[in-house]
Amino acid sequence: DTGVSQDPRHKITKRGQNVTFRCDPISEHNRLYWYRQTLGQGPEFLTYFQNEAQLEKSRLLSDRFSAERPKGSFSTLEIQRTEQGDSAMYLCASSYGAHVIGELFFGEGSRLTVL
Amino acid sequence: AQKVTQAQTEISVVEKEDVTLDCVYETRDTTYYLFWYKQPPSGELVFLIRRNSFDEQNEISGRYSWNFQKSTSSFNFTITASQVVDSAVYFCALSYPSGGYQKVTFGIGTKLQVIP
Repeated sequence: DTGVSQDPRHKITKRGQNVTFRCDPISEHNRLYWYRQTLGQGPEFLTYFQNEAQLEKSRLLSDRFSAERPKGSFSTLEIQRTEQGDSAMYLCASSYGAHVIGELFFGEGSRLTVL
Repeated sequence: AQKVTQAQTEISVVEKEDVTLDCVYETRDTTYYLFWYKQPPSGELVFLIRRNSFDEQNEISGRYSWNFQKSTSSFNFTITASQVVDSAVYFCALSYPSGGYQKVTFGIGTKLQVIP
């Protein structure tokens, strides 16, 4: 399978615990995005990487959230001291291109439930 | 502000009926892209179409067709002869330049239920 893969697909945790999600983009894609999708809403932008550089972070990304993309390959999104409001689907997407946005390839998402 | 409005939150149709999903967008930019994505129950977002702001030609792909009208800032999506497999949430999205890259804003989605 050469699509975008995300792990884990589902995570249930207690409030206050830390969680980490991993995203493996399509191998030749230099751009990687994290989005969050809550029930009944469209995906909302969280952060963007071009290669290993994190170029933009949304205001939605509080200081409890941190994302990395070491070596410009896979990416991790960590949420510290989770809160019930963090319950959502976390979507990763990747694309290739310099100036023109091409197709965004999305993974199947990681669903987080905070009890 | 960059915004996408999908006024229809849920639509139900009987199989074989035609259905149109509405999308209205707002942007200050003259160069932008519009997308439609399908999100089946499995959760993955599936790309359907991309359109740039300079190409107002309508497009047809099998049972799917798209009507892009800059005059009304709309990019509507029609499914002809709907099938149960079309049941999903459909998102319209707008891509525009921001900080050296293209940012994407999604609408809230339209949930389509096709009843057999």
